[in-house]
Amino acid sequence: DQQVKQNSPSLSVQEGRISILNCDYTNSMFDYFLWYKKYPAEGPTFLISISSIKDKNEDGRFTVFLNKSAKHLSLHIVPSQPGDSAVYFCAATSGVSELLIFGKGTKLSVKP
Amino acid sequence: DTEVTQTPKHLVMGMTNKKSLKCEQHMGHRAMYWYKQKAKKPPELMFVYSYEKLSINESVPSRFSPECPNSSLLNLHLHALQPEDSALYLCASSQENEQFFGPGTRLTVL
Repeated sequence: DQQVKQNSPSLSVQEGRISILNCDYTNSMFDYFLWYKKYPAEGPTFLISISSIKDKNEDGRFTVFLNKSAKHLSLHIVPSQPGDSAVYFCAATSGVSELLIFGKGTKLSVKP
Repeated sequence: DTEVTQTPKHLVMGMTNKKSLKCEQHMGHRAMYWYKQKAKKPPELMFVYSYEKLSINESVPSRFSPECPNSSLLNLHLHALQPEDSALYLCASSQENEQFFGPGTRLTVL
């Protein structure tokens, strides 16, 4: 059973608008969450993370929101740019493990 | 130096060949990983070398074997691979809760 779920396989957004990528998790032991961005034929690159003691973390155009009671996190990209078009993976881990559990990814397309 | 390097970038091999993928990091990380990634799917964990202990995903066939010569290097030896082993092989290292990925080796088995 999937512990980290990204239920939308794809998302299309107009340039300049907000992109919202969602991620749900089931394991209440997870206490650290990360978002990775992946271009075709390249390895994933780390984007932004959030600890379970926070509910928001912001870095430039990227903001991650964490709702622990709903076991839900989201990545907001504002404003979206065509160069943001990629597959975005949500990942989670717990303090007792160094292993990351990944979701299946959401393909974001930002149209000019 | 905050990167994970992998060589080669691309590798094409026959089913009878023996080859090795190399991964190196100089961030002092005590955990290193090998992942296999097929198109449009998240990386699948193959091996973890953490604090000098090797952990193996039991679903990984024995034609893949990791080797850790020292704390900065994690090699992946390949022998008698199958065409379905063609994929992007990603190496990563981590410290605490942050994981850094290498650029990957694109492997094609003919």
